[in-house]
Amino acid sequence: KNQVEQSPQSLIILEGKNCTLQCNYTVSPFSNLRWYKQDTGRGPVSLTIMTFSENTKSNGRYTATLDADTKQSSLHITASQLSDSASYICVVRSNQGGKLIFGQGTELSVKP
Amino acid sequence: DGGITQSPKYLFRKEGQNVTLSCEQNLNHDAMYWYRQDPGQGLRLIYYSQIVNDFQKGDIAEGYSVSREKKESFPLTVTSAQKNPTAFYLCASSIGTGLTEAFFGQGTRLTVV
Repeated sequence: KNQVEQSPQSLIILEGKNCTLQCNYTVSPFSNLRWYKQDTGRGPVSLTIMTFSENTKSNGRYTATLDADTKQSSLHITASQLSDSASYICVVRSNQGGKLIFGQGTELSVKP
Repeated sequence: DGGITQSPKYLFRKEGQNVTLSCEQNLNHDAMYWYRQDPGQGLRLIYYSQIVNDFQKGDIAEGYSVSREKKESFPLTVTSAQKNPTAFYLCASSIGTGLTEAFFGQGTRLTVV
């Protein structure tokens, strides 16, 4: 069964600290993996898209990694800001029909 | 200003009523999608359309209906047959499938009263 599991479910950190969010998937055949940021009551906004051959991709203070062998991805946030408080969603696209499979998200709260 | 627009932002429905959620995009995207989001769960696909006048059921299509008469518009009707319609509904669009970016609307929160 195609699944995407994220951990932790929720995370509280202090402003200025770094954090890492995890995503494990069992989607096959794999096409690409995306990380989205979703503010409360808003639609998700894309942070990164990674294909099978990419190990690391950065977008400002966000750095995503992908290990296609172990089917794991991580999203590292550097020098967190209050505006980073949001839900971070890992999404894997299957090559079979192009279906998107969503993780349940990690709820990040950055405190002053 | 290019984008994908959902309306209304909040919607209240009485039990037994049908209600239609609007989704419009001016990105010239062929593919459009409707997802449902519930607390603690990943987004679940309701319906999707890859081209005008064609649409396919997603994982949880029961109690919902859609139409795709125009490329720009993909309205979702939540019928009285949907047993638990209270949720956050998200519409998305993309140029196609594969590596293409999926852009999301701001969502509609539907509450049954």
